[in-house]
Amino acid sequence: IAGITQAPTSQILAAGRRMTLRCTQDMRHNAMYWYRQDLGLGLRLIHYSNTAGTTGKGEVPDGYSVSRANTDDFPLTLASAVPSQTSVYFCASSRRNTGGRNTGELFFGEGSRLTVL
Amino acid sequence: AQKITQTQPGMFVQEKEAVTLDCTYDTSDPSYGLFWYKQPSSGEMIFLIYQGSYDQQNATEGRYSLNFQKARKSANLVISASQLGDSAMYFCAMREGPSNDYKLSFGAGTTVTVRA
Repeated sequence: IAGITQAPTSQILAAGRRMTLRCTQDMRHNAMYWYRQDLGLGLRLIHYSNTAGTTGKGEVPDGYSVSRANTDDFPLTLASAVPSQTSVYFCASSRRNTGGRNTGELFFGEGSRLTVL
Repeated sequence: AQKITQTQPGMFVQEKEAVTLDCTYDTSDPSYGLFWYKQPSSGEMIFLIYQGSYDQQNATEGRYSLNFQKARKSANLVISASQLGDSAMYFCAMREGPSNDYKLSFGAGTTVTVRA
C-alpha cells in the first residue's frame, strides 16, 4: 500500500542518547514534514522540506535536525535526547501545486512513539 | 498567538445525533485553507474535509460538513448522524498562503465520545 512508512513505531531511549526516526514515502511528494503531538498542544511542526535538498525550521526545531538527500526519505535526528522530547512523532508529506486544485492536504505516517527516560 | 483555537477539549454525543466541533482561526493572509483531521484511538491521522478561503460554498463530505463563517474566522465541523466509530480526537488545521509551502498549523484537538 502506497504511503508513508515510519520506523520505529515505538522506542524507549535513555537521556543523552542519539536517535534517528526514519520516514520514507513512495508517493513522490515534494514536501515532507515532521510534527510532534503532545496532549493539549495538538501537533506542532518541527522541521519541513519543500523539496529534496532543502529543509526549514518549524515551530519547535530545537534539539532536532533533519536531512533530505532524496525525494523519498526524511529522517529526524535527536542528537542528545532529553525527557521533554518524549512525544509521538508524525511524518507527513504533501504534493506541491502543479496546477489545478491542490488543497495541500497532508498525508501522515502512523507515528513513532518515543519515550526518553 | 494561537493560529487555531479549539475550545472544546471533550464532547459527548448520543448515537445518531449531530455534533458540532468548534474551530476559530487567526490569519491576515487572504488566501488560506482549513482542514479537519480525525485521529481514532489507533493513532493514525485521517483527513476528513477541506475548505478554501475563496470557496463560495461550505464543504461537505458525506456525513461531514464544514460551517465556514469567514467574517467570524470560524470553521466548525458538523458530523451528522453520529456513529460509534466517530469516537476519536478531531483536529482543525490551517494552511496560510497560496504558495507551495503547505505547512499546516493545528489546534489542540477535541475528543468526541459517541454514546450508544
